[in-house]
Amino acid sequence: KAGVTQTPRYLIKTRGQQVTLSCSPISGHRSVSWYQQTPGQGLQFLFEYFSETQRNKGNFPGRFSGRQFSNSRSEMNVSTLELGDSALYLCASSPGQGGDTQYFGPGTRLTVL
Amino acid sequence: AQTVTQSQPEMSVQEAETVTLSCTYDTSESDYYLFWYKQPPSRQMILVIRQEAYKQQNATENRFSVNFQKAAKSFSLKISDSQLGDAAMYFCAYRRGNFGNEKLTFGTGTRLTIIP
Repeated sequence: KAGVTQTPRYLIKTRGQQVTLSCSPISGHRSVSWYQQTPGQGLQFLFEYFSETQRNKGNFPGRFSGRQFSNSRSEMNVSTLELGDSALYLCASSPGQGGDTQYFGPGTRLTVL
Repeated sequence: AQTVTQSQPEMSVQEAETVTLSCTYDTSESDYYLFWYKQPPSRQMILVIRQEAYKQQNATENRFSVNFQKAAKSFSLKISDSQLGDAAMYFCAYRRGNFGNEKLTFGTGTRLTIIP
């Protein structure tokens, strides 16, 4: 099976802009989770989607949002970008049935100037 | 709230030797899972090993094994016969066991260097 894919791999934006990141899970996986990785805060959970519904949410401002489509592909959106949003954004997928292992994509490196 | 602590920011080991990375966690749950992930310079997060809390037997995957001490809330990773390709950041992670909760809580990571 193909692994988790994320597009784009690299992105440069300026403050105030918005950005959309995409994640395609492993075939058959219905759960997609998003994480932000920064040198200062480490790996932090953003949110998780299962069958097109947000099932869990981390402690991030409302500028961070996401959605999931019927084919389980997921997108996350960050509006009104701030310098502190510069990070590696990781997507992970799992079957979503409990006790599952999450498999990660290669990440999208976002730089905000 | 669950927390995961990795007290060794950096470790180094000679090639072919054995190294142990430490991880402790705090939880009031009885049903949970623990993981070790590896993140090489490519930044791709790769699963190394996983442990179910209800299993007393320590998980093993080839050269990787864990020492799971549930009462002490300790979950260390042992890498035997270290290879150059093992150089990476290693993250310990925790997730609750209940259905519908996919959130992983990560430690701060340990950077492992392999000395040729």
